[in-house]
Amino acid sequence: GAVVSQHPSRVICKSGTSVKIECRSLDFQATTMFWYRQFPKQSLMLMATSNEGSKATYEQGVEKDKFLINHASLTLSTLTVTSAHPEDSSFYICSARRQGVGTEAFFGQGTRLTVV
Amino acid sequence: GEDVEQSLFLSVREGDSSVINCTYTDSSSTYLYWYKQEPGAGLQLLTYIFSNMDMKQDQRLTVLLNKKDKHLSLRIADTQTGDSAIYFCAEDRRGDKLIFGTGTRLQVFP
Repeated sequence: GAVVSQHPSRVICKSGTSVKIECRSLDFQATTMFWYRQFPKQSLMLMATSNEGSKATYEQGVEKDKFLINHASLTLSTLTVTSAHPEDSSFYICSARRQGVGTEAFFGQGTRLTVV
Repeated sequence: GEDVEQSLFLSVREGDSSVINCTYTDSSSTYLYWYKQEPGAGLQLLTYIFSNMDMKQDQRLTVLLNKKDKHLSLRIADTQTGDSAIYFCAEDRRGDKLIFGTGTRLQVFP
């Protein structure tokens, strides 16, 4: 199957700094990418939908200025957690889909962010 | 409501069958999915079913879909210790984004 690479897999940062997480589709063009957040022992919460070349669509309750999403190319989307705080510590997972409704979504391996 | 519901926990003996249930919300979902997540890892797609199907079988996995009740189930035959993980169902809400269920933690004991 298709591969989605997410980097870094783990990151520890200090409060107040910003962290960028990359999500790449390695062997297909992803017109749409999704960013999820997962708290310990909980489900995945959709944060935003990222479309190549346009602004991301954020879910209700997700701060746009806090979680900056850029989808500059058909193979790369980035999530930047700005001015990180300990409560931003979480597991972040991206997924990518090929063009077309109902096509399979492929997931990255996730990024464990710890803010100290 | 908006939530995709699953029972939180399931414990089975090795060799038995496991049945994980899911109640979804969007009757227009084109596809419904089952994902597996092992500790600290991303998601692995196990199987999916197209909405015009009632059943899909894939080796040890059987998916049943009841559209009238918006009920989806995953049966794992001959459950093994390696099947211990969290299982998420997901619906294709409004055809463009995956919304995940609350997750079921499957524990397999010898």
